[in-house]
Amino acid sequence: EVQLVESGGGLVQPGASLKLSCVASGFTFSDYWMSWVRQTPGKTMEWIGDIKYDGSYTNYAPSLKNRFTISRDNAKSTLYLQMSNVRSEDTATYYCTSNRIAARVMDAWGQGASVTVSS
Amino acid sequence: DVVLTQTPVSLLISLGGQASISCRSSQSLVHSNGNTYLHWYLQKPGQSPQLLIYQVSNRFSGIPDRFSGSGSGTDFTLKISRVEPEDLGVYYCLQRTHNPWTFGGGTKLELK
Repeated sequence: EVQLVESGGGLVQPGASLKLSCVASGFTFSDYWMSWVRQTPGKTMEWIGDIKYDGSYTNYAPSLKNRFTISRDNAKSTLYLQMSNVRSEDTATYYCTSNRIAARVMDAWGQGASVTVSS
Repeated sequence: DVVLTQTPVSLLISLGGQASISCRSSQSLVHSNGNTYLHWYLQKPGQSPQLLIYQVSNRFSGIPDRFSGSGSGTDFTLKISRVEPEDLGVYYCLQRTHNPWTFGGGTKLELK
């Protein structure tokens, strides 16, 4: 069974940094592109970015690329999202997703990590 | 960026009835490789989104044939026949043809 488990969320102050993790199991992590998506409290869905199976290429939403960095450790089957200089508008639930059917299809989703940016 | 407009915003359906959700794109979603990367997801209450349909009309593993997707170019439709209680939630369309990938605003399916 495919499982994606995010962690690292919580309450963070504006301007701070936060790193989310997503541990994958049930499939060969190193074979697939992975993605991050967030959902605001108002339920708007926003794609954050993708990372190639070997970590050699990343693709970000233009509005986030200067502050967010996606990386992966295939030996640990773990995906990361480094968030820097966070703002109140980054308050959201963050999901990691796998792209196993094809690089452009997010098939499995984690349960989400909640991030609240507030002083 | 591509704007996906979903209609209606909410839908009241009786159990056993049929639901139809539209997703219209601000530009054609046909990729230069000939594929159309328009997908449908359902987010049930308190859960993360789940893939229903990928590339317009392909049902994901385990998705019943009550769900069907159709459309081309800029206009796409998700149909749910014989609505069951487990179908309730918010449906989203997602395009991955044009970078940045974008989602529709969602359609909430509720019981009448």
